[in-house]
Amino acid sequence: EAQVTQNPRYLITVTGKKLTVTCSQNMNHEYMSWYRQDPGLGLRQIYYSMNVEVTDKGDVPEGYKVSRKEKRNFPLILESPSPNQTSLYFCASSLSATQGSPLHFGNGTRLTVT
Amino acid sequence: GQQVMQIPQYQHVQEGEDFTTYCNSSTTLSNIQWYKQRPGGHPVFLIQLVKSGEVKKQKRLTFQFGEAKKNSSLHITATQTTDVGTYFCAGSLDSNYQLIWGAGTKLIIKP
Repeated sequence: EAQVTQNPRYLITVTGKKLTVTCSQNMNHEYMSWYRQDPGLGLRQIYYSMNVEVTDKGDVPEGYKVSRKEKRNFPLILESPSPNQTSLYFCASSLSATQGSPLHFGNGTRLTVT
Repeated sequence: GQQVMQIPQYQHVQEGEDFTTYCNSSTTLSNIQWYKQRPGGHPVFLIQLVKSGEVKKQKRLTFQFGEAKKNSSLHITATQTTDVGTYFCAGSLDSNYQLIWGAGTKLIIKP
């Protein structure tokens, strides 16, 4: 089944403890992206990747890192999480980076930083 | 920066009533996409509009793209409980492939 898989679904951690949220897609998509969703703010892009080894900052990249060493995986790394990073995170992918490619989203990761 | 304003933020309707959400951009868009997010779920792609003045229908859903390609709307006729969720528009510019997201409109069906 074609899908975007994120893990974990829920994560509670403490301030400063490094964590990684994994994202994998099995559709051979070139483009991948991370979003955070907060009430009243919609979806805000954190980082995106047009292809392997190509990553770029989105609208809210501070406090996050990403890597794209393989086409299928696009992990999100929080080196030193802080409470303001408590949010719902979505990974998404699309066939290409060209306009008009619909995004396929993972099921989300709800992160709480205390 | 570029923005897409989406209104209203919430809309409460009785089942069977119509629902409309609007998106307005400060600049001309190349295309606009619409997504639906069910409660507790993830956004799911509904449709893309590309042409000026384009109108597309999916059963009870009607999507429009304005003549100036700066605004778009989603209209649902005779809402059903399965329509509950948040509807997002997302546009892109000719100069940039990145999507600019509206904040979403949450459709709530009154009991």
